[in-house]
Amino acid sequence: QKEVEQNSGPLSVPEGAIASLNCTYSDRGSQSFFWYRQYSGKSPELIMSIYSNGDKEDGRFTAQLNKASQYVSLLIRDSQPSDSATYLCAVNEVDYKLSFGAGTTVTVRA
Amino acid sequence: DAEITQSPRHKITETGRQVTLACHQTWNHNNMFWYRQDLGHGLRLIHYSYGVQDTNKGEVSDGYSVSRSNTEDLPLTLESAASSQTSVYFCASSLQGNYEQYFGPGTRLTVT
Repeated sequence: QKEVEQNSGPLSVPEGAIASLNCTYSDRGSQSFFWYRQYSGKSPELIMSIYSNGDKEDGRFTAQLNKASQYVSLLIRDSQPSDSATYLCAVNEVDYKLSFGAGTTVTVRA
Repeated sequence: DAEITQSPRHKITETGRQVTLACHQTWNHNNMFWYRQDLGHGLRLIHYSYGVQDTNKGEVSDGYSVSRSNTEDLPLTLESAASSQTSVYFCASSLQGNYEQYFGPGTRLTVT
């Protein structure tokens, strides 16, 4: 089981601000990285996938990957109360398995 | 629409009983996974399968078993339920050769 570490949170941000979530991983050979959003009492939902160094934008979400530093982040711009959730970072293992971080809980204050 | 379902959504059982949790997906995904999620531990892999008749143990497989008789279903069986198996269980699936996993709604299991 590879290690995936996330900033522990909880992270509280005002509505309209940028929420920044960080994730580091231990396996330098990892190639596929994912962000899942999990609302309280619900299942994880895939919101971003990133495979190459640099930024990937999807609406208000931007994933950033730096393989040399073994670091992946998720930025949520113009945060909304509906973004309040726990965000899970996942990194590939061998054989199409994923290792998940413990998650960072984000609360957006109206 | 293609989907992944789990049943039951909630289950209360007694220590020592055998329990089976169902997972059914209509995406025709070859890969299926079972996780448990507990406070302080995140998602932990129990068992997984890459196709019919294929099953593999994950990091927390003791006390659990799975079987894969068709592409759509991967039932998870707790042979003799223990209080330590009280948890939320998620099934997930992915396409062959793909890491993107899609999760079912989960089953909340309480062992008393």
